[in-house]
Amino acid sequence: RKEVEQDPGPFNVPEGATVAFNCTYSNSASQSFFWYRQDCRKEPKLLMSVYSSGNEDGRFTAQLNRASQYISLLIRDSKLSDSATYLCVVSPYGGSQGNLIFGKGTKLSVKP
Amino acid sequence: EAEVAQSPRYKITEKSQAVAFWCDPISGHATLYWYRQILGQGPELLVQFQDESVVDDSQLPKDRFSAERLKGVDSTLKIQPAELGDSAMYLCASSLGPSEGYTFGSGTRLTVV
Repeated sequence: RKEVEQDPGPFNVPEGATVAFNCTYSNSASQSFFWYRQDCRKEPKLLMSVYSSGNEDGRFTAQLNRASQYISLLIRDSKLSDSATYLCVVSPYGGSQGNLIFGKGTKLSVKP
Repeated sequence: EAEVAQSPRYKITEKSQAVAFWCDPISGHATLYWYRQILGQGPELLVQFQDESVVDDSQLPKDRFSAERLKGVDSTLKIQPAELGDSAMYLCASSLGPSEGYTFGSGTRLTVV
């Protein structure tokens, strides 16, 4: 089982739609969770951290379910500019190591 | 906004040649990472530094790859000899500490021919 699994998509949605991505992780001791966004041929950029209580940033909402070991990202009122690959990221940090484990990403394409 | 600097942006090299990438992290960031991202995949860790010390290089193919961060600031990743399968984006990232989110550099896209 891969450490971080995501549906690769693509998710093709019209502008204004609400779209949700899920991600599962295998290491129950994982401590930190993130969503990164990556545009084509660009570097990944931090979109938001994911907290146990859930967090919202404008049109984006992230949630963590530790019991089921999954993370979700909800995008409301999709914009054309939201088209990108969304990477689910988990950190097994619990000691001196802080490397991030990336999923393969979910591709989103928002159409006019 | 502070950036992680990487060079070169693009590199084409012939197989069996040596190639080197350079990274300058955000000032004050003690933790530096080198990742490799093959097209269609997520980034995979090659090596992690804390200051000048290697914390994790378990996924670094040490027969051909080497990395150093001699003064605990900038870092170099070298491949010798390069193989066709090394074609990928090589990403450097830095963070204030192991539990913080990263800032990535723009990467070096390597093509081995």
